[in-house]
Amino acid sequence: GDSVTQMEGPVTLSEEAFLTINCTYTATGYPSLFWYVQYPGEGLQLLLKATKADDKGSNKGFEATYRKETTSFHLEKGSVQVSDSAVYFCALRENSGGSNYKLTFGKGTLLTVNP
Amino acid sequence: SAVISQKPSRDICQRGTSLTIQCQVDSQVTMMFWYRQQPGQSLTLIATANQGSEATYESGFVIDKFPISRPNLTFSTLTVSNMSPEDSSIYLCSVDTTAFGEQYFGPGTRLTVT
Repeated sequence: GDSVTQMEGPVTLSEEAFLTINCTYTATGYPSLFWYVQYPGEGLQLLLKATKADDKGSNKGFEATYRKETTSFHLEKGSVQVSDSAVYFCALRENSGGSNYKLTFGKGTLLTVNP
Repeated sequence: SAVISQKPSRDICQRGTSLTIQCQVDSQVTMMFWYRQQPGQSLTLIATANQGSEATYESGFVIDKFPISRPNLTFSTLTVSNMSPEDSSIYLCSVDTTAFGEQYFGPGTRLTVT
């Protein structure tokens, strides 16, 4: 079945540091890939997405590129801020047709950014 | 995007009782989902609730424990029945609004069972 493996946390960085959170996936078809973010005490928000190979999703300074050859979708940001402190989830959805639109999530990575 | 609300936002319940969680969307959507997020864990799909059909449950989840209703295209309920402390979790509903699975989540219901 489908699975998502992402970097174990927690990750602690200083403000303005470079961020990478690794995510790899296993899927039988050609999935869409997502990063979701959960800020403290809040719900899950879609951060960015990519629907096919070589697509780059971006939002709020975060980027991730859909790499089919390495089955990866690593999240990056060039300069993190304290307000980026949150839990980040990588997720996939198979686009194999039919009515099964469920998301498969990684375990989440807690990011703490210190001033 | 879609705006999703859930009620209640949190509750503390005694074991053996049941709680019904409501999910309301500001637009008509075909697919709604119910997830569980146990403390410090990732999200696990409980079931898919499509209007006009029976809910589809994932492995490990059964209708007797988690009955779901989907009476129209903007509303769904999840009941957690005969609760035990192991049911203490955040329960989230989500909706799928596009062909590429862009799902939006409600704020969650934090359930504590004592």
